[in-house]
Amino acid sequence: EAQVTQNPRYLITVTGKKLTVTCSQNMNHEYMSWYRQDPGLGLRQIYYSMNVEVTDKGDVPEGYKVSRKEKRNFPLILESPSPNQTSLYFCAGGQGPTYEQYFGPGTRLTVT
Amino acid sequence: AQSVAQPEDQVNVAEGNPLTVKCTYSVSGNPYLFWYVQYPNRGLQFLLKYITGDNLVKGSYGFEAEFNKSQTSFHLKKPSALVSDSALYFCAVRERDTDKLIFGTGTRLQVFP
Repeated sequence: EAQVTQNPRYLITVTGKKLTVTCSQNMNHEYMSWYRQDPGLGLRQIYYSMNVEVTDKGDVPEGYKVSRKEKRNFPLILESPSPNQTSLYFCAGGQGPTYEQYFGPGTRLTVT
Repeated sequence: AQSVAQPEDQVNVAEGNPLTVKCTYSVSGNPYLFWYVQYPNRGLQFLLKYITGDNLVKGSYGFEAEFNKSQTSFHLKKPSALVSDSALYFCAVRERDTDKLIFGTGTRLQVFP
């Protein structure tokens, strides 16, 4: 069964404290991406990756970093979180951007 | 720049009636178009996509969508709505020369018994 896992599912942290949200897929998919979901703004792509060591900015990359050292993992890093990064985050994977994307269950992040 | 618009925040329909959730897009060239659904406290699930070919695309759970190039629209439809169709629906677009996916703001569908 195609699966994308994210950890943690819920996180409350303070401004400036570095954090990492992990994402892992079991489908051997090339394409992975991170989104944030905010009320009234829908889903906005943060970063995406076409393959190992290949990453590109989406529409809202400021304040985020990613890495793709292995095909299955695509962690999202917030080096100095701020309250405006409080959001619901989704990781997704697919064979490519033209194919069905499989979404993880989401990570609800609160930055105080 | 590519963009996608979902002009309705919410659509209400009675069970058994046909439903339409609207989506318009703006891209250069021919787009790839997608619909996803999000049930409460869940991630998004793929419904259908248009890449090329027939303008009417059939997808999961009885949904279909019609690609209209002249109106730059890709409306989601279902002939007979179910209460269980109540969810948040997202339209998405990808331009053919980029790898970005752009999602709309979402439309909440409420189907009343």
